[in-house]
Amino acid sequence: DSGVTQTPKHLITATGQRVTLRCSPRSGDLSVYWYQQSLDQGLQFLIQYYNGEERAKGNILERFSAQQFPDLHSELNLSSLELGDSALYFCASSARVGSSNEKLFFGSGTQLSVL
Amino acid sequence: QQPVQSPQAVILREGEDAVINCSSSKALYSVHWYRQKHGEAPVFLMILLKGGEQKGHEKISASFNEKKQQSSLYLTASQLSYSGTYFCGTANTGNQFYFGTGTSLTVIP
Repeated sequence: DSGVTQTPKHLITATGQRVTLRCSPRSGDLSVYWYQQSLDQGLQFLIQYYNGEERAKGNILERFSAQQFPDLHSELNLSSLELGDSALYFCASSARVGSSNEKLFFGSGTQLSVL
Repeated sequence: QQPVQSPQAVILREGEDAVINCSSSKALYSVHWYRQKHGEAPVFLMILLKGGEQKGHEKISASFNEKKQQSSLYLTASQLSYSGTYFCGTANTGNQFYFGTGTSLTVIP
C-alpha cells in the first residue's frame, strides 16, 4: 500500500458528461501529480500541484482541470468527455516539490470508461 | 520531451540478463526507474542523481551517463517476478516529470 488513495476505482460514463476524480496523497506529502495511461500506453504527465499551487503543466487538455485543496487532496475534473478520454488515471505524491530527487508514490488509479 | 526507451519489449527465460535503455533529447539532471505490473500502479525502483552514478537493488541495478543523456537498467539472473513494464522518468527544468515510452519485460520459465 503506497498510502495514496484514489477514488473511485472505476467510473463509467457517457460522452459529453463531466466527472471528478479524487486523490488523497500520502500523509505529509505536499506534491500531487496526475497522469493518464491509455490502453497499453505509457504514462502521460498531465499536471502537478504543490501545497495548493499549480507547479507544472504537461499534456493536459483544456477540457480537463485540476486543483489541490488546503487539506492537500486533489481533484481532476474531466468535462465534455470523449471516447478517447477512456483511460487509467493515476495520481502520485511526493514529499516536496523537487521531483528530480524524490520518488513518486502512486495510487491504484481510476479506470475511466466513456461509452 | 518524453524519454525514449529501448527495446520496446523483451522476452527472457528465467536466469537470463537484460538491459533496458532510456535516452533523452534534453539534459538529464536525474533519472528514476519504476516497474508496473499489469493492472497495477507503477512502483519505484531507484533514483540516480549524479552523472555516472550506479545504484543497485538486489539483482537490478542502473547507471546514468549524464553526458550522453542516457540511463540503463540492468536486470541480472531474471526471475518470474521481474515481469512487467519498466519506465524511466525524469524531471525537466520546468518541473514537469515525464516518463519514458516504457519497456515490456516478460520472464518465462
